[in-house]
Amino acid sequence: DVKVTQSSRYLVKRTGEKVFLECVQDMDHENMFWYRQDPGLGLRLIYFSYDVKMKEKGDIPEGYSVSREKKERFSLILESASTNQTSMYLCASSLSPGKGETQYFGPGTRLLVL
Amino acid sequence: DAKTTQPNSMESNEEEPVHLPCNHSTISGTDYIHWYRQLPSQGPEYVIHGLTSNVNNRMASLAIAEDRKSSTLILHRATLRDAAVYYCILRGSNYQLIWGAGTKLIIKP
Repeated sequence: DVKVTQSSRYLVKRTGEKVFLECVQDMDHENMFWYRQDPGLGLRLIYFSYDVKMKEKGDIPEGYSVSREKKERFSLILESASTNQTSMYLCASSLSPGKGETQYFGPGTRLLVL
Repeated sequence: DAKTTQPNSMESNEEEPVHLPCNHSTISGTDYIHWYRQLPSQGPEYVIHGLTSNVNNRMASLAIAEDRKSSTLILHRATLRDAAVYYCILRGSNYQLIWGAGTKLIIKP
């Protein structure tokens, strides 16, 4: 079974702090994704990566950056956390970029920015 | 990018079949139709996907209309553990999944 793990289930940070969210997958998948999920808005793509050291902006990249130094690990960075970044953050991975691919999700990190 | 339309919520009785509808009238010829579900306090999980023909797996069946403008996810015998938000999704132009608000499925015992 594919396993996607996220470093924390719950996180509380203060405005202005730098926040690191880590995601690791164990199935040698090429692609990794970061989403945020807010009530009534569904999932919105922040960034994705098709290869090591490669990144592409999603729909809402502002205020975020990412890092993929190793194939299995994809990090989401909030350079200076703000209260409007309070959300559920979901990491996903998939094997290949084909249109029929399946994405596998981690359990999510619920971030509260005070 | 093509979008999907789903009812906000549906109710069903336990051990009865459930038909979850999805409209995607602007679907392109090469867009796959994906279904995911999200149980409370968990990340989404894959349910099924298809292109043109109906598909079956151990979790569900996917019935795709002949013109591909709509599809239906069928849970053959719903259990309380099937209570979740079900998302009908098409692939975007950048191979991204375009997520809508989904259908909240309520199962009554």
